[in-house]
Formats: sequence, C-alpha cells, structure tokens
Amino acid sequence: ILNVEQSPQSLHVQEGDSTNFTCSFPSSNFYALHWYRWETAKSPEALFVMTLNGDEKKKGRISATLNTKEGYSYLYIKGSQPEDSATYLCAFRGLDGNNRLAFGKGNQVVVIP
Amino acid sequence: GAVVSQHPSRVICKSGTSVKIECRSLDFQATTMFWYRQFPKKSLMLMATSNEGSKATYEQGVEKDKFLINHASLTLSTLTVTSAHPEDSSFYICSARDRGRDQPQHFGDGTRLSIL
Repeated sequence: ILNVEQSPQSLHVQEGDSTNFTCSFPSSNFYALHWYRWETAKSPEALFVMTLNGDEKKKGRISATLNTKEGYSYLYIKGSQPEDSATYLCAFRGLDGNNRLAFGKGNQVVVIP
Repeated sequence: GAVVSQHPSRVICKSGTSVKIECRSLDFQATTMFWYRQFPKKSLMLMATSNEGSKATYEQGVEKDKFLINHASLTLSTLTVTSAHPEDSSFYICSARDRGRDQPQHFGDGTRLSIL
C-alpha cells in the first residue's frame, strides 16, 4: 500500500492571504505526481501533473513544486480568494503502477471573506 | 477540455437491488478507466482499472463478483454493484485518462449510493 500523506488536513485562510500545504509520497519508483482541485458538488479538476525533480508549475495564483528525491510536493495559493475554497488532492503514480494513482486524503481549504 | 460524464449522481434503493453506474468519456477515447470509492474522511480508494475489450483489474480486497465492471467501448465503462447491501453505501467516482506520462485523469461527478 502506497503511503501518500497530505498536511494539514484542513485550513482556514483569510481572503487575500497566501497559503501552502504539503504532499509527501514514496521517494522510490517515482513516475508522476498529480494535483487536483475538488470543489463541492463538482468533479475533481486537474491542476498539475509533475514528472521531473525540481519541477515548478503555475496556474494563475496556484503553483506547485516537486522534490522527488525527498518525496514531497508543495502547493501554494497566492492571495487566496473565496473561489479557492476546495479540497486539494495529490496523487502519486509509481513506475510499476500500471497507470494507477494513489491519493492522499486531501487538504481542505476554506477561504474566509 | 476532456469531459467525463457519470450517471446517476445519486441512487437510493433497497437492500438486494443491483445498481448500475455508467461512466462515459464524451470527447475523447479512453482505453483505460478507473473506478474509485470514497469512505467518509478517507482518500479516494482505487477499486479497479477498467480496460476496453478485456477484463478489469481489481485491487486487493475488492470483490469481483460484487462489483462487476464492463468496458464495452472506448467511451463507456459500467460498474454494477450486485445485490447491494447497506455496507455498500458509499460515494463511487470514475475517471478516464488520456495517453502520455504528463496527462491527468478526468473525473466524473461521482455517484452517491445509499442502500436502505
């Protein structure tokens, strides 16, 4: 069983503040790391797929970094807005996973206006 | 962008009923689809990988005879929960992927199954 941990489990952020959270995953047999945003009553939406150590990706005010050697990824939200309220899921794909993803429990973000 | 449609979104039925959930890729062909289940306060748990034209690959601990998966075409996979019981009540969600290492999975909206 692959251990994918996300922390903190939930956080409240004041509108306009920046925040970040962590996904840790196995550092061996790495193939790819996915981030998804899951808003209530909607389907999970893909944010990033990261494959190379040191990768940094950005989508609007959201960005992510990747360290495959130590097995962690950070997701950053700059200048949080109420529409950023969602659960952010990370998922690990291993070399021998046959396309399968192992998900963390998610980081639940609530942005307070 | 790639769209995956999942139906129904909610099912409430009596114990012993079999329930079929459909997952369709609307604007791309998906040779591989995935079925997940989510328990309260838990992560998405992969149940099985659905392969077009062949048998599904089930994860350890998932009963093949309880959760029947059929992937008859490149755009449709179905999950049938056979003779459902209250312990099968859960949130089920499907996804499909494009080819390529840097391609994400595209998810349906999920199905909330409640067995009385």
